[in-house]
Amino acid sequence: EAEVAQSPRYKITEKSQAVAFWCDPISGHATLYWYRQILGQGPELLVQFQDESVVDDSQLPKDRFSAERLKGVDSTLKIQPAELGDSAMYLCASSLGPGKRQETQYFGPGTRLLVL
Amino acid sequence: RKEVEQDPGPFNVPEGATVAFNCTYSNSASQSFFWYRQDCRKEPKLLMSVYSSGNEDGRFTAQLNRASQYISLLIRDSKLSDSATYLCVVNPPNQGGKLIFGQGTELSVKP
Repeated sequence: EAEVAQSPRYKITEKSQAVAFWCDPISGHATLYWYRQILGQGPELLVQFQDESVVDDSQLPKDRFSAERLKGVDSTLKIQPAELGDSAMYLCASSLGPGKRQETQYFGPGTRLLVL
Repeated sequence: RKEVEQDPGPFNVPEGATVAFNCTYSNSASQSFFWYRQDCRKEPKLLMSVYSSGNEDGRFTAQLNRASQYISLLIRDSKLSDSATYLCVVNPPNQGGKLIFGQGTELSVKP
C-alpha cells in the first residue's frame, strides 16, 4: 500500500536553530498539505500545495516558516529560527486533488519536533 | 466560536459498551465530513466519511444533521483496540480541500 513518507521522524533542536522537514507524497497525488499538531489539539493546516503552487499559506508564520515543492512532488518545510512554541508534531498529507472523490487525505507518520 | 467543536474527553468505557461522540461545525455551507482516528503518537487515519443519509461500517455508524450542523459517531460493542482519539473533520467549501479538525475526543476501552 502506497504511503506518505516523512523524515526525520524525531528532531530535537535548540531555539534559534534552523530545522527542515521532508515529505514525499503518494505517487500521483497532486495536492500536498503540511499540518502542525500541538499536543491535545487537532492538526491545523500550515500550507497547501497544488502541484508546485501554493494554494493556501494563510496560517503559515511567514517570518520564520517557509515551504517549497519545487518539482511538484516532494516538499520541504523549514523553520528558522525555531522557537520553544514550535514544539509539535508536523504532519504531511497528500490527496489526488480537488474534486469530491479525490479529496481523501492520507497522512504521513509525522515529524515530532522538540525545541529546547 | 471554533469552526469544529467536539465533546471533551476522555471517555472511559468497558469492553462491549456503546459509545457516542458528538461534533458541531460552524460553516453551514460545508459539504464534506469525516471521522479520523488517531492512535497515540501516530498519524490520523481516515475512519469513515459521513454522508447526508448517514452511513454504517461494521460497528461504526456516522450521522449528519445539516439543520443542526451536527455530526455524530456511534461505536457499538467497543473493543480494547478502539482505544484512540477520534477527530471530527470538516471540509469547508471553496477552500481547495482544506480540512478543519476538531480537537479530538479520547476514548479508552477497559477490559
